[in-house]
Amino acid sequence: QVQLVQSGAEVKKPGASVKVSCKASGYTFPSYGISWVRQAPGQGLEWLGWTSAYNGNTKYAQNLQGRVTMTTDTSTRTASMELRSLRSDDTAVYYCARDKVDAYDYWGQGTLVTVSS
Amino acid sequence: DIQMTQSPSSVSASVGDRVTITCRASQGISNWLAWYQQKPGKAPKLLIFAASSLQSGVPSRFSGSGSGTDFTLTISSLQPEDFATYYCQQANSFPRTFGQGTKVEMK
Repeated sequence: QVQLVQSGAEVKKPGASVKVSCKASGYTFPSYGISWVRQAPGQGLEWLGWTSAYNGNTKYAQNLQGRVTMTTDTSTRTASMELRSLRSDDTAVYYCARDKVDAYDYWGQGTLVTVSS
Repeated sequence: DIQMTQSPSSVSASVGDRVTITCRASQGISNWLAWYQQKPGKAPKLLIFAASSLQSGVPSRFSGSGSGTDFTLTISSLQPEDFATYYCQQANSFPRTFGQGTKVEMK
């Protein structure tokens, strides 16, 4: 069965970086993209970006340009998202999701990233 | 960017009620529209893709319709497990964008 398993919760200080990983299983990894979505406490869903697991192409949200990098490693079937220069408003649950182009059909369990001094 | 606007923001309903949620795109997106259900502390779950296609395993009481700019998610007979927040998302272009969510609450 398809599974996306994310890395554990992180606590970071403002200005630091965080890297969240997402390990995929149960399907042909290069055949689907991986998208990243976050949800701040009590808020809605915010799209962060997409990466192709086939060729590494990426698309990022404009408000994160320059601070975010999304990668995939086909040898380990793992997608990663690194966010730099963290601010308090980056505190959120971060999700990876399998992108079948017209929707996200499988999601990771979420990773809570807390940014606090 | 394409803006997605859902209405209402919340709805109070009883078990057995028919519930309708609408989603409007700021420009035409053909049928590139998905609906998700999210329960507290859980990841979103895909319900509908391509505006009206039911995701495998999703009960048939959920249905989607629409094309262009106006879309609807309907729950034909609300069940206890359907109390949750629902989001639409456009998949027509980058950046992908979500609606602000509609919370279905118990009356």
